[in-house]
Amino acid sequence: GAGVSQSPSNKVTEKGKDVELRCDPISGHTALYWYRQSLGQGLEFLIYFQGNSAPDKSGLPSDRFSAERTGGSVSTLTIQRTQQEDSAVYLCASSSPTGLGYGYTFGSGTRLTVV
Amino acid sequence: AQSVTQLGSHVSVSEGALVLLRCNYSSSVPPYLFWYVQYPNQGLQLLLKYTSAATLVKGINGFEAEFKKSETSFHLTKPSAHMSDAAEYFCAVSLYNQGGKLIFGQGTELSVKP
Repeated sequence: GAGVSQSPSNKVTEKGKDVELRCDPISGHTALYWYRQSLGQGLEFLIYFQGNSAPDKSGLPSDRFSAERTGGSVSTLTIQRTQQEDSAVYLCASSSPTGLGYGYTFGSGTRLTVV
Repeated sequence: AQSVTQLGSHVSVSEGALVLLRCNYSSSVPPYLFWYVQYPNQGLQLLLKYTSAATLVKGINGFEAEFKKSETSFHLTKPSAHMSDAAEYFCAVSLYNQGGKLIFGQGTELSVKP
């Protein structure tokens, strides 16, 4: 596609429920990143996929968070047993071949509200 | 570990005045440096980037930034602010040995007064 697409754009869920956030990167971009942006905070790195390599999961805040990338394209970020502190905007970005000197293209994000 | 510090969480300027947003980084190896802008309820848009070529980098919307190794700085400037420049600005660093992962500063919110 022309840009990075994220869905849904907004999600309200009850505490304790599981949620799935989807990211469609730019076609041909081999690197995909998830970040979290909380109110008044900067951008917190969550996870990074590069081609067929093992993902860099070093930023995932707890084992309730997981992500997968199928076929080197679409990625899904799953949050299990959501907590109120999970409320944030979740941003996905992609780049080709990596972000090194190219920078990322970001999606518009998914605003997650846990009530 | 590498990090990015943005001085001032909020900067306010008058329309037509100079914009200066400060960014300092710490890195033991030459970094790649980026500035992103985020307009309300939108994702991040790349303004400009430094990748070890010219130290003075020009970006979109009249912004530019200068890489100063001796000061470990990458400040963002624009000679004359416009109302449409009001947004959140993020400085970020990327290292070649970190797989391209970007480390972001906390952001600076720019307000432009008429």
